[in-house]
Amino acid sequence: DTEVTQTPKHLVMGMTNKKSLKCEQHMGHRAMYWYKQKAKKPPELMFVYSYEKLSINESVPSRFSPECPNSSLLNLHLHALQPEDSALYLCASSRFLNTEAFFGQGTRLTVV
Amino acid sequence: GENVEQHPSTLSVQEGDSAVIKCTYSDSASNYFPWYKQELGKRPQLIIDIRSNVGEKKDQRIAVTLNKTAKHFSLHITETQPEDSAVYFCAIKGRGGAQKLVFGQGTRLTINP
Repeated sequence: DTEVTQTPKHLVMGMTNKKSLKCEQHMGHRAMYWYKQKAKKPPELMFVYSYEKLSINESVPSRFSPECPNSSLLNLHLHALQPEDSALYLCASSRFLNTEAFFGQGTRLTVV
Repeated sequence: GENVEQHPSTLSVQEGDSAVIKCTYSDSASNYFPWYKQELGKRPQLIIDIRSNVGEKKDQRIAVTLNKTAKHFSLHITETQPEDSAVYFCAIKGRGGAQKLVFGQGTRLTINP
């Protein structure tokens, strides 16, 4: 399996909802990442996990809560989001922090 | 901190011609330079990368060159084809604990038949 798989592909949620994005890889990669991408912009780093421990939090608001339950899974828990949080959320993984990163197909999130 | 500027923001070339996209960076500690291709509605895909101990790398029609002294690196696509049309992002990653992948602003490449 050489893929990073994200679910769901699309998500529409209200500002009072709680939802979670999921990311899975079975390549034995020990680093996993969450990125946010707005239209016509580059991906922006949100969080980095290395060996299941949070390594970087790019000053992301607490309404986004990451979780890495094991080396293959990465979740992003969402609560009380704002319409401006609507974006494509990309998960990526790499064998280690200093090796090439591969992206999942993303979750397109719309907050209404 | 790391910063990378990418030019041009849009590029239109005739099919069969070459395309060149350039990125400049400020942090001399940067040591990894990947290029990603993103088609509309799809994920960024790694197409080629280079590390700071190498000056040039080639993979079929694409090549990347790195000038560490001038702090710039470039993507070269030869014999362009319509399927090369996409947004291309350069990125940099530095040494040490940060290990953040920082992206350029992207270049929208259009190949005209």
